[in-house]
Amino acid sequence: GAVVSQHPSWVICKSGTSVKIECRSLDFQATTMFWYRQFPKQSLMLMATSNEGSKATYEQGVEKDKFLINHASLTLSTLTVTSAHPEDSSFYICSPGAGWGTDTQYFGPGTRLTVL
Amino acid sequence: SQQGEEDPQALSIQEGENATMNCSYKTSINNLQWYRQNSGRGLVHLILIRSNEREKHSGRLRVTLDTSKKSSSLLITASRAADTASYFCATDAEGQNFVFGPGTRLSVLP
Repeated sequence: GAVVSQHPSWVICKSGTSVKIECRSLDFQATTMFWYRQFPKQSLMLMATSNEGSKATYEQGVEKDKFLINHASLTLSTLTVTSAHPEDSSFYICSPGAGWGTDTQYFGPGTRLTVL
Repeated sequence: SQQGEEDPQALSIQEGENATMNCSYKTSINNLQWYRQNSGRGLVHLILIRSNEREKHSGRLRVTLDTSKKSSSLLITASRAADTASYFCATDAEGQNFVFGPGTRLSVLP
């Protein structure tokens, strides 16, 4: 199966700082990358969909200026949480998109963000 | 919007017992997938079942799909303490992204 890595696996930062999360698709060319967020004891919620070389599409209620997504190559997508606040503390998971109707969706191991 | 919903939300059983979790969804799908997530960890894919399939097995896992009822079930037989995790179903429908249900938190007590 596809190998997806995320870095860092966890990060603690002060309120007001920005945090960048990298997602790499190691053996898979991801033209699309899905970014999910998961609050404790809740399901994954899709935040945005990034497409290589173009602007990301954000789900309703997700601030595009706060969660900056860059998908510069087929193997790397980044999510930057700008001016993070405690309510942004969450588990962020990326998932490369193989396209509609394709088998198994693979997920990164996740990044746990804690904003103090 | 497409939504998978699992029930129960939480399930606690003894080691060796079987655990059954259900997932319901609202519209037609291409396939349905079950994932496991250990606390604080990423998702692990368990089984994919297509809309034209009714049952699939993988080791101690058995998944059924009833498209007429728009529901699926995940059965874990002879459960082990290591099966303790959250289990999510996710649906894949034409033109839509994967949509996850809220998950079932399974606790297997030794």
